[in-house]
Amino acid sequence: DAKTTQPPSMDCAEGRAANLPCNHSTISGNEYVYWYRQIHSQGPQYIIHGLKNNETNEMASLIITEDRKSSTLILPHATLRDTAVYYCIVRAANFGNEKLTFGTGTRLTIIP
Amino acid sequence: GAVVSQHPSWVICKSGTSVKIECRSLDFQATTMFWYRQFPKQSLMLMATSNEGSKATYEQGVEKDKFLINHASLTLSTLTVTSAHPEDSSFYICSAPGYGGNYNEQFFGPGTRLTVL
Repeated sequence: DAKTTQPPSMDCAEGRAANLPCNHSTISGNEYVYWYRQIHSQGPQYIIHGLKNNETNEMASLIITEDRKSSTLILPHATLRDTAVYYCIVRAANFGNEKLTFGTGTRLTIIP
Repeated sequence: GAVVSQHPSWVICKSGTSVKIECRSLDFQATTMFWYRQFPKQSLMLMATSNEGSKATYEQGVEKDKFLINHASLTLSTLTVTSAHPEDSSFYICSAPGYGGNYNEQFFGPGTRLTVL
C-alpha cells in the first residue's frame, strides 16, 4: 500500500470548515483513499473513501486531485466533537486486502 | 451500521498472568478480524489478522506464542496475552471488514485498555 503524509496537527475554529490535507504521491491506479478518525480512547471510525472522483457523505467531503497524488478531507462545519486524530490511508479495495496500515495522522483540535 | 464490541473494556492484571480479550461482530459475520495495539500518543499498529477456521497471520515482530488468537466462530475472535508484563500495557483494538461484500469500510471495536502491574 502507498505511503501517506499528513501534517501532525491542525487547529480549526468551531463552525468553520476544517480542511485536512494528505499527500499520497506514490498511489497506484487501483488504490483508494480512505479516511478514518479516532476520538480519544475510542476505536477508529470510518469517514469516507474515494478513488478519483470527489465524494461527499453526511460526515465529510473528499477532494482528490486530478493526478491523485494528494487529497483533502473537508469537515464543512466543524464542531467540538470533531476533535480527533484523522488518518488518511491508501489501499487497494479488494477481497483479501482489507487490512489497514495507519500512519501518524493529523491531530485536529476544534477551538470554541 | 455494523457494530463490533470488545470485552472487557479495561483490565488490570498482575505480571505473569494471562488475559483474554474478546472481539464480537454483533450484527454481521466476519470471517476475518484484525487486532491492533496502540501505545499512548502513538498510532495503531496492526498485530495480526484473525481468520475463522484457520491460523492467524501475525505481522513481523509480533510473537505468536505470546499473543494467542483464536477465531472460534464467524462472530467471535479472542486475543490472549500470555504471561503479561508491564510492557504489554496498551490499548488493544479489534476490527472487522464490512459485510455483504463491502470491503471499503471497517468497523472497529471500542478498544480494551490493558494495564499490567
